[in-house]
Amino acid sequence: AQTVTQSQPEMSVQEAETVTLSCTYDTSENNYYLFWYKQPPSRQMILVIRQEAYKQQNATENRFSVNFQKAAKSFSLKISDSQLGDTAMYFCAFMKTQGGSEKLVFGKGTKLTVNP
Amino acid sequence: EPEVTQTPSHQVTQMGQEVILRCVPISNHLYFYWYRQILGQKVEFLVSFYNNEISEKSEIFDDQFSVERPDGSNFTLKIRSTKLEDSAMYFCASSMARDRGQTGELFFGEGSRLTVL
Repeated sequence: AQTVTQSQPEMSVQEAETVTLSCTYDTSENNYYLFWYKQPPSRQMILVIRQEAYKQQNATENRFSVNFQKAAKSFSLKISDSQLGDTAMYFCAFMKTQGGSEKLVFGKGTKLTVNP
Repeated sequence: EPEVTQTPSHQVTQMGQEVILRCVPISNHLYFYWYRQILGQKVEFLVSFYNNEISEKSEIFDDQFSVERPDGSNFTLKIRSTKLEDSAMYFCASSMARDRGQTGELFFGEGSRLTVL
């Protein structure tokens, strides 16, 4: 079974600074997807960034980038130039590529607060 | 922008009562899901639904739970006889079918908070 671990329950950062959220996972699969989802207060979870395990290049979406270390089973999220609107819960998630449905396995989340 | 909507946003019920949580997925999506999050714990997969049948379910999804898509738009989760430990936030999600090996992004609703007394 897959597991996802987020070791930082809470983090804070000053506006305009950079913050890195950690995520490690455990799987015996070779091909899979990794995701970071953001959940602002009282809002739905939205996808921030996605990484396919077979791709060596780290995914980037504007101010969000990942450091994917497949051998170490590590998938951290870096947020550059943090903005107040980045304040949210961030969930790291894993999905197998095999099988019909798209079942996500989530970590417990990291609550990020961006301070003005 | 299309989104997944869930009702009710919060429901309080007595132990042993039946509860139905409703979801309207994005209209052209084909895969539907329920997840739940007990306070302070991980978001957990409950069930996925495709082509009018359950495609996968977790061990949490026992005989007390059922899902259906009665009218082609709503996707419901029914808990037949609620227990205290069913208190959680329940999230509905939907996605398009996979295309050429690319996974479909899951779009989540805002959640329905269930409190069982």
